[in-house]
This record gives sequence, structure tokens and C-alpha cells, in this order.
Amino acid sequence: KQEVTQIPAALSVPEGENLVLNCSFTDSAIYNLQWFRQDPGKGLTSLLLIQSSQREQTSGRLNASLDKSSGRSTLYIAASQPGDSATYLCAVIETSGSRLTFGEGTQLTVNP
Amino acid sequence: DAGVIQSPRHEVTEMGQEVTLRCKPISGHDYLFWYRQTMMRGLELLIYFNNNVPIDDSGMPEDRFSAKMPNASFSTLKIQPSEPRDSAVYFCASSLAGPYGYTFGSGTRLTVV
Repeated sequence: KQEVTQIPAALSVPEGENLVLNCSFTDSAIYNLQWFRQDPGKGLTSLLLIQSSQREQTSGRLNASLDKSSGRSTLYIAASQPGDSATYLCAVIETSGSRLTFGEGTQLTVNP
Repeated sequence: DAGVIQSPRHEVTEMGQEVTLRCKPISGHDYLFWYRQTMMRGLELLIYFNNNVPIDDSGMPEDRFSAKMPNASFSTLKIQPSEPRDSAVYFCASSLAGPYGYTFGSGTRLTVV
């Protein structure tokens, strides 16, 4: 059974800092990996999707990498801003159209 | 595209009542998922459909929960009778087959008192 772990569970940083969120998964036979953001009381917003054949994806200040062999992904946020404060969720997809298996999330607070 | 649309946004009901949650997936998507989110258990998959057919309902907690997808543009999740432990946020998501991501709705916050 696939298990997804995110470290740290919570992170508080000053504005402007670069930071890395970590995600690990137990079964490396994945199809895709998707990072989401969730604001308090809100739904999930997709940030980046990495296909199994890719090593990384970038969108603005966000960069996500994937190392299937080691079962790890990282989300790098450059020059963090208070508006980046949210919970970040990592999810793996094992086959096309199958379920997403989520980690517990990292709660990020960026202090002005 | 309006995205995945869920209704209602909030639902407060008394224990024992029937609750129906609704979802309209993105047009053209052939997969639809129902997830439940709680503080204790995080995001859990309840059931998912492919081309309106239920594929995996192993996450449905018990017989009080049922889900239907009568056509490609509509799905319901029903709880009858509801219990306080069913209080959670219920999300619907849809996707296309292939190397595409999943899109989530805004969720329905259910409170059973």
C-alpha cells in the first residue's frame, strides 16, 4: 500500500527566505506526482504536476523535483511571501486515472 | 471553464437526517472522485468513477454512504442516516485519463449535530 510522508509538518519562516518542502513515497512505481496548496477553509489548488518521466517542473517562484528511484519529491519556494502561507500537500498517482494518495501536508507560515 | 462545482458549500443537519452532496465535474473529464477531509485522518478517497461507472468504493465508510453518477455531468454522495462523526469537508475532483492532473472543487463542509 502506497504511503506518502511530508516533512516538516509545520514550518515558519521570515519573508524573503527560500525554502524546501519534502515529500516521500514508499512505492516508486508512480505515474504522476502533484503538489497542491490549501488555504484555511478552502479547496485544493493545483500547483505543479510532474509526470513520472520528468525530473522537475517550474511555475514562477515554485520548482518541484522528482526522484522516483529514491521515492522523493521536493517543492522549492523562492523568495517566500506572506501570501504563500498555506498548507502544501503532495499526492502521488500510481496509474492513469487511479486514486491520488495524499501526504499529511506541510503547514507553511511566512512572517512579514 | 468553471471548474469542478460542488453544492452546497455548507450543510448543517441533525443526526439521523439524510444528506445529499452534489458535484458537477469539468466537462469532458472521464474520472470523478469523492474525498473526505478531517483533521484526524486527512484526505481519504471514498469512491471514484470512470465514465460514470463506480470503479473503487472500498473507501466508503459503511452502508449509510452511497454515491451515484447518473450521467457525465453530475454525481451525488448521499449519507442516510447521518451521524456526528460524518462531520467533515467533502471534496469532489475530476480528471482526464492520461498524464493530467486532478482538479478539485471547493468542497462541502458538513456539520451533523
